[in-house]
Amino acid sequence: NAGVTQTPKFQVLKTGQSMTLQCAQDMNHEYMSWYRQDPGMGLRLIHYSVGAGITDQGEVPNGYNVSRSTTEDFPLRLLSAAPSQTSVYFCASSDRGGNTIYFGEGSWLTVV
Amino acid sequence: LAKTTQPISMDSYEGQEVNITCSHNNIATNDYITWYQQFPSQGPRFIIQGYKTKVTNEVASLFIPADRKSSTLSLPRVSLSDTAVYYCLVSGSARQLTFGSGTQLTVLP
Repeated sequence: NAGVTQTPKFQVLKTGQSMTLQCAQDMNHEYMSWYRQDPGMGLRLIHYSVGAGITDQGEVPNGYNVSRSTTEDFPLRLLSAAPSQTSVYFCASSDRGGNTIYFGEGSWLTVV
Repeated sequence: LAKTTQPISMDSYEGQEVNITCSHNNIATNDYITWYQQFPSQGPRFIIQGYKTKVTNEVASLFIPADRKSSTLSLPRVSLSDTAVYYCLVSGSARQLTFGSGTQLTVLP
C-alpha cells in the first residue's frame, strides 16, 4: 500500500529559484492538501483541493501555487523561493467525509 | 471552523494512564472530533475519532460529554514510545482541516 507519496524528501534551494514538490495518492481520495510545519510549531494549511480541477487557499498560501489535474496528483509549486519558506512540507489526502487524513512522509526544504 | 484549545505540554511516567483534554466550545452539529499523533520527522497519524459519548480502539479511548464542547483522549499505560505531539481536530468535512499547536506528551522512565 503506497498511500501518499511525496518527492523529493530533501531539497536545498537558492533564494529566487523555483521548484515543485510532488504528491500522489493511490486511495482515490477526493480531498488533498498541503501543510507546512516550522520547527516546534503545528501544521499550517497552504492549499487544498476538493477534487480534480478544484483548488482553494488555506491559511498561508502566499508564495505557493497548486493544481489538481487528476485525482491522484497534487503538486505544490514554489514560484520564487525565499528563506521564510524553509520548512517541512506534508501532503495529505482524505475521503469526502474527512474521517481519516493520510499524510505523506514529508519533504524537508531549505532555502539559502 | 471550530477552534480547539489543548495544553501545550504534559509529562507522565511509564505505565500511567494519560488524559489529554481538548476544548472546542464552538463545535457544530455535524462536526466530528479526531485525534492525531505525530512523532518527530514524521507526518501525523490517525489515532481515534468520535462524535459523542465514548469511543475505544486498540490504542486509545475518546470521551465526549453530552454538550460536546470538550473531549478527552485517554492513553492507557503509556510507554516511552508514546512520547509525541497529539493534535485534536474538529471538523464536519475534509475541507480546510486545520491543526492547532498540539500537546507535547513526554513519557518519562
